Amino acid sequence: ETGVTQSPTHLIKTRGQQVTLRCSSQSGHNTVSWYQQALGQGPQFIFQYYREEENGRGNFPPRFSGLQFPNYSSELNVNALELDDSALYLCASSGQGGVKNIQYFGAGTRLSVL
Amino acid sequence: AQSVAQPEDQVNVAEGNPLTVKCTYSVSGNPYLFWYVQYPNRGLQFLLKYITGDNLVKGSYGFEAEFNKSQTSFHLKKPSALVSDSALYFCAVRPYNQGGKLIFGQGTELSVKP
Repeated sequence: ETGVTQSPTHLIKTRGQQVTLRCSSQSGHNTVSWYQQALGQGPQFIFQYYREEENGRGNFPPRFSGLQFPNYSSELNVNALELDDSALYLCASSGQGGVKNIQYFGAGTRLSVL
Repeated sequence: AQSVAQPEDQVNVAEGNPLTVKCTYSVSGNPYLFWYVQYPNRGLQFLLKYITGDNLVKGSYGFEAEFNKSQTSFHLKKPSALVSDSALYFCAVRPYNQGGKLIFGQGTELSVKP
């Protein structure tokens, strides 16, 4: 196991609702990245947080937002849910923010939007 | 556009035979390259990485990968496949000087039969 924990494991929402997903990073890691993995696809980068600041963002609309807390845990918030937001959301943590570091992934949160 | 391609959706191998999972990439500069494995209902597990140096990289569980700069490829290999190697494999690239963003391929399903 990587030491990266995500909650909840599964979530069912309806279109238009808002959702918050949570991630606890591995001990000693100060960088958290979020990815969306649609069924049958590779993960797509949403954004990354380093020391509580956004440190890069993928091609996702502003209704996808995030936070990182002083203990380096993180939240992903999605507003105005759409059916296409149904996916596995993966959190990954890494240390020191350096580009060489490995990203360690949690087991993910599976979001279903009805 | 930066991208990663895994040309085979599925690879079938007999147990004990060598396996190869192919990956090519298109990014500017000198990227960092990774392989991850995903088991059902699990997050991604790191296998190996190439940053610089020897073109043959050894990783976890007997896997290795060969970096070929001229062909922009990073194929995953194992000399003798096990049934337990059956899983979904993802190649990923971290473009140089773009923070922690990982670009993933679409994945290759590896099936090892006894």
